[in-house]
Amino acid sequence: DAKTTQPNSMESNEEEPVHLPCNHSTISGTDYIHWYRQLPSQGPEYVIHGLTSNVNNRMASLAIAEDRKSSTLILHRATLRDAAVYYCILRDGISNFGNEKLTFGTGTRLTIIP
Amino acid sequence: EAQVTQNPRYLITVTGKKLTVTCSQNMNHEYMSWYRQDPGLGLRQIYYSMNVEVTDKGDVPEGYKVSRKEKRNFPLILESPSPNQTSLYFCASSLNRDRYEKLFFGSGTQLSVL
Repeated sequence: DAKTTQPNSMESNEEEPVHLPCNHSTISGTDYIHWYRQLPSQGPEYVIHGLTSNVNNRMASLAIAEDRKSSTLILHRATLRDAAVYYCILRDGISNFGNEKLTFGTGTRLTIIP
Repeated sequence: EAQVTQNPRYLITVTGKKLTVTCSQNMNHEYMSWYRQDPGLGLRQIYYSMNVEVTDKGDVPEGYKVSRKEKRNFPLILESPSPNQTSLYFCASSLNRDRYEKLFFGSGTQLSVL
């Protein structure tokens, strides 16, 4: 699987937008970009995913660079409940037949300042 | 309610005493996986299964076994636990291995091996 690189930690003020970056310079054309977050004392939960176009859902937006070598998770108005570790992973699924390892790495710990 | 259920939530055991951590999903998912989470190391994949009777090693399989006799269950077996297997364990599932499918995680099992 292609690797992703994220900053270890970030801080943001409450009610401000947050931009969480992820680099994936070795991404292949068929890899989907997934974002998950892990709230304290919980298992990771799905946030959003995309392939090439920017994506929006009720939780967040995903902005994908034109060359797909990086992406940014955008929380439009951070609340204290958004404090979590955010993971960016690449999933290549059936295009990499026989190998479905999924490595999450250490993610970005987001702290929200009241 | 769609969910991944892990049991037990907490487990303390002694070196060498065989144990099993259960994982069950009620979403008819084909793909299931086990992860361990350690401070500073993120989520690392132990084993995964793409369907009944189909399992394969992840990044850190040593000391673990799995089985997939039924679609809904994917137990993690530690035949002879050692202190270095003290960790937080998560089970995850997705509909299949397609790259756009999202993962659902259990709440975790905190294992301490003395």
